[in-house]
Amino acid sequence: GENVEQHPSTLSVQEGDSAVIKCTYSDSASNYFPWYKQELGKGPQLIIDIRSNVGEKKDQRIAVTLNKTAKHFSLHITETQPEDSAVYFCARKGGGNKLTFGTGTQLKVEL
Amino acid sequence: DTEVTQTPKHLVMGMTNKKSLKCEQHMGHRAMYWYKQKAKKPPELMFVYSYEKLSINESVPSRFSPECPNSSLLNLHLHALQPEDSALYLCASSQIPGLAGFQETQYFGPGTRLLVL
Repeated sequence: GENVEQHPSTLSVQEGDSAVIKCTYSDSASNYFPWYKQELGKGPQLIIDIRSNVGEKKDQRIAVTLNKTAKHFSLHITETQPEDSAVYFCARKGGGNKLTFGTGTQLKVEL
Repeated sequence: DTEVTQTPKHLVMGMTNKKSLKCEQHMGHRAMYWYKQKAKKPPELMFVYSYEKLSINESVPSRFSPECPNSSLLNLHLHALQPEDSALYLCASSQIPGLAGFQETQYFGPGTRLLVL
């Protein structure tokens, strides 16, 4: 179906360490995979996205990798900072307008 | 400019009240969305408008009534809500997916936090 599994649900890292969040999907028609960051009291903010014709994309400290064969994609944050603390949602989209979100990961970056 | 604005930021209403949530974007997007988000959960799609016409209704109860008066505005009319409808209501917009050359990224507003008493 269209469900997206996301792991872990919570993640604590020390400042400067890397954080990795993984998502898996089952619908092979999925072709667009955005990642959103949601801070407390705010709406989700797009941080990076990837389309199915690309295997990896990087933007400064943030990278996303996509394995279409295995149907999973991952968010990598390097050199984490306290302001990276937030809830992160992966999502997938096939044809049409509908985004399906993962269950979210609460990331805490500790000093 | 990738801003979606929503008003009000907070809303408290009784179960017999009628209220409206408003959303606005000036990015030229022709797809607009309403989502409902409960605490510690992902956003859940409620409605999608494409070219100002309702294209998706995710079996939302009729006490929620969407309206798209023009390509920049999206409203959500609320009537006879229940306490379980208390949540963060998010508006988003995007280009129409599938159109050649257009990005399909959905941009979210800050949300309206609704409390139904």
